[in-house]
Amino acid sequence: GAVVSQHPSRVICKSGTSVKIECRSLDFQATTMFWYRQFPKQSLMLMATSNEGSKATYEQGVEKDKFLINHASLTLSTLTVTSAHPEDSSFYICSAPWGDRAYEQYFGPGTRLTVT
Amino acid sequence: LAKTTQPISMDSYEGQEVNITCSHNNIATNDYITWYQQFPSQGPRFIIQGYKTKVTNEVASLFIPADRKSSTLSLPRVSLSDTAVYYCLVGGNSTLTFGKGTMLLVSP
Repeated sequence: GAVVSQHPSRVICKSGTSVKIECRSLDFQATTMFWYRQFPKQSLMLMATSNEGSKATYEQGVEKDKFLINHASLTLSTLTVTSAHPEDSSFYICSAPWGDRAYEQYFGPGTRLTVT
Repeated sequence: LAKTTQPISMDSYEGQEVNITCSHNNIATNDYITWYQQFPSQGPRFIIQGYKTKVTNEVASLFIPADRKSSTLSLPRVSLSDTAVYYCLVGGNSTLTFGKGTMLLVSP
């Protein structure tokens, strides 16, 4: 099946700093990628849709200036958490759909962000 | 997006067949039904998807009645490693909305 990787798998940063998370589709191209956030014991919440060659689409309530998304190529999307605060600590997961089938998505392994 | 309803949790024993039913009464004509599995601290894994009737792959079967208002994920002969959260999602070619999922606990 399709493989999506994320880097880093976990990161600890100090409050006020920025953190970049990479999401790569390893064996297929993705013009669209999705970024989710998951708090402990909760379900995944879609944050934004990353579009190659154009601006990302953010879900309601997600600050676009805080969570910067760049879809640099057909296999790479990055999420930068700017001026991170402890409340941004969470599990961040990206996904890429198989072709144009958004209902069949392949997820990365996730990135555990801890802001101290 | 069609809303889904699943049991919050289910318990089973190794070797048993597990059926998890999901209700999606307002499913649209062009919606597909997809199931994902998630282990703690990992991204969800695509299990199976279908539109109608029955779909089977190497890990599961998906049963969808004619009215498509529900679907049942069937896991044959579960093992301890099948302990996970299972999500039922309904949608077309747009974004996915995850519900709370079903926490399946498989015991020895």
